[in-house]
This record gives sequence, C-alpha cells and structure tokens, in this order.
Amino acid sequence: GQQLNQSPQSMFIQEGEDVSMNCTSSSIFNTWLWYKQDPGEGPVLLIALYKAGELTSNGRLTAQFGITRKDSFLNISASIPSDVGIYFCAGPKETSGSRLTFGEGTQLTVNP
Amino acid sequence: DAGVIQSPRHEVTEMGQEVTLRCKPISGHDYLFWYRQTMMRGLELLIYFNNNVPIDDSGMPEDRFSAKMPNASFSTLKIQPSEPRDSAVYFCASSFGLLLHNYGYTFGSGTRLTVV
Repeated sequence: GQQLNQSPQSMFIQEGEDVSMNCTSSSIFNTWLWYKQDPGEGPVLLIALYKAGELTSNGRLTAQFGITRKDSFLNISASIPSDVGIYFCAGPKETSGSRLTFGEGTQLTVNP
Repeated sequence: DAGVIQSPRHEVTEMGQEVTLRCKPISGHDYLFWYRQTMMRGLELLIYFNNNVPIDDSGMPEDRFSAKMPNASFSTLKIQPSEPRDSAVYFCASSFGLLLHNYGYTFGSGTRLTVV
C-alpha cells in the first residue's frame, strides 16, 4: 500500500491564487521528489530535494524538505490555468533506496 | 531525445485475451520500471529491471502478468489472460542509475488499457 499521505486530495482555486500542498510519511525519506501529471500523460519531475531543511525553487514552484525527513511541501505562486493536473510527491524508502513510493496525488483545478 | 516511448497509447480488449504493452526506454538508461495507475490504488510499481535483469517483481499482481527486457532498448509487459480488473493506465519509466542525484525517473505517456 501507499506509504506517503498527500493533502489535500483536491483543490479548486482561482487563477492568480497561491497553492500549498504537503506530503507526510511515517517513515524517514532521504530524498523527496515532486511530480506533475498532465491529463493523458505520464508524471514529469518538477523538483527534487536531497537534504533535510532544503528549500528549492523552480520558477513559481517552491518545495521544502522537512527537517524531520518525514514531510515535504510544495507551493505554487500566482497559479495559471496550465497548472491544472495531479501533483505527486515521491521518495525512495531509506531501507530500499531502489524503488520510488508515490503519494496519492493532489488534483489541482484552476479556474480562469 | 525522444523520451520513453510506450505503445500502444490505448488498448481495448476482451476478457480472456492476451495483451502486450511495449516500452522503449531512454537510450543509456540502465533502469526500467513498470507502473500501474488506477483511481483506487494510485501509482503502483509492478516490476523493475537493472541492465535488463528483473530485480524486483513483488508488485506484479499475479501469475497472469509477466515482463521481459530482452535488450537495453525494449521491454514488454504481458497480461494473459486479461480480466476487467486489469483496466488501468500502465506506465513505463526509465532512469540512469539510482545514485542520490538520479532519482528523477522519466515516464512514458502510458498505455490506457480497457478490458471489457
């Protein structure tokens, strides 16, 4: 089963609003990844985080690796219609290191 | 680079038929992963290969599922016989190594399988 818990499950926002979503785990992760999946396509890597406490930006996206290594958040500023999609957090479990575990995803809808 | 290429994009088949999904990873990538995505279970890892060798197939649902990687540029996922509950989107992904800074799998566009 899933090891990562994402929230919220879905979000409906107006264009221009900021968005925040997070991901938590009962296990320690040594890497956090955030992916976006557009409708009808495979997930695409947005941001990768490798150190506890790390804060990384990619354009309007900002993600942080929690200091406990059990959580991460993703912020999107000034949302635009093309931000629509499903956002997944993912990470390799420390014990295995070889397989990515994915969260359930956050479905984002942006109204123009 | 053309990315990870999957075929077909859509497959509709009758229950009991054999289904074969195909994947061409990115050239030079030494890891290949097969995932299944459903509303109920999200993204599930089915099996992955390293240098064409299956490493972990613990996610394969049952014996009806099999995967092969005869060479570095081609992999197949076969379901025989197919059942309606196999309906899902199947993704192939590849990566270069599993080193700390190479965890960014590249996914294909997926195959949407419908078994009626």
